[in-house]
Amino acid sequence: GEDVEQSLFLSVREGDSSVINCTYTDSSSTYLYWYKQEPGAGLQLLTYIFSNMDMKQDQRLTVLLNKKDKHLSLRIADTQTGDSAIYFCAVGDDKIIFGKGTRLHILP
Amino acid sequence: DTGVSQNPRHKITKRGQNVTFRCDPISEHNRLYWYRQTLGQGPEFLTYFQNEAQLEKSRLLSDRFSAERPKGSFSTLEIQRTEQGDSAMYLCASSFQNTEAFFGQGTRLTVV
Repeated sequence: GEDVEQSLFLSVREGDSSVINCTYTDSSSTYLYWYKQEPGAGLQLLTYIFSNMDMKQDQRLTVLLNKKDKHLSLRIADTQTGDSAIYFCAVGDDKIIFGKGTRLHILP
Repeated sequence: DTGVSQNPRHKITKRGQNVTFRCDPISEHNRLYWYRQTLGQGPEFLTYFQNEAQLEKSRLLSDRFSAERPKGSFSTLEIQRTEQGDSAMYLCASSFQNTEAFFGQGTRLTVV
C-alpha cells in the first residue's frame, strides 16, 4: 500500500532554516501536503503543492518536490519558537496518507 | 462558517459501551474523511464520503465501527463494544472534491 516516510526529530537553532524531508510511494497523487500540529491541537494545513510543480513558496515556507525520487521537502526560513510543532507530510487525492510526523525542536 | 466542527471534544467511556461522535464539515465541502490518531503516530485513514456515499473503508475499520453521512452534510462515527485499544484521537476532515482537506479539532476517546 501507499507509504509516507519522514524522520522523527529535527533540532534547529532559532533564526536558522529548518528543512523537513519526506519520501512517498504513491506517484499518482495530484496533491502533496504539509500539516502542522501543535501540542493538544488539531491539524493545521500549512501548504500544499500540485504534482506538476517543482517548487512552491509561501512567505517563510518553501516546498520542493522531486517527483522522480518521490521526495518532498519543507523549508522554514528564519525558524521561530512558534514553529515548534510536529510537521506531517501527507500524500493523496481521495485517501490522504500521512507520515508519522517530524517533531521540530527549536534551540535558543 | 468557522471550519470543521467535531463533538464531543472529549469522551471517556467504559469498556464495552457504545460511543458516537459527530462531525460537521465546512458547508460547501462534499467530501468528508475520518481518521484516527494515536500518540506519536500520524493520522490513520479510516473512511471517507463523497456526499452521502461512503466510497472507501480502511481495513482498520473493524465491524465494530460504522460511519454514516445520511444527508451528505454532517457525519457520525459509532464504535460499538469499545475496547481499550480504541482509545485515540478521532479526526474529521472535509474538502471540496479532492482539493485541500481541512481538519477539525478532533474527539479524544479514552476507554477505561
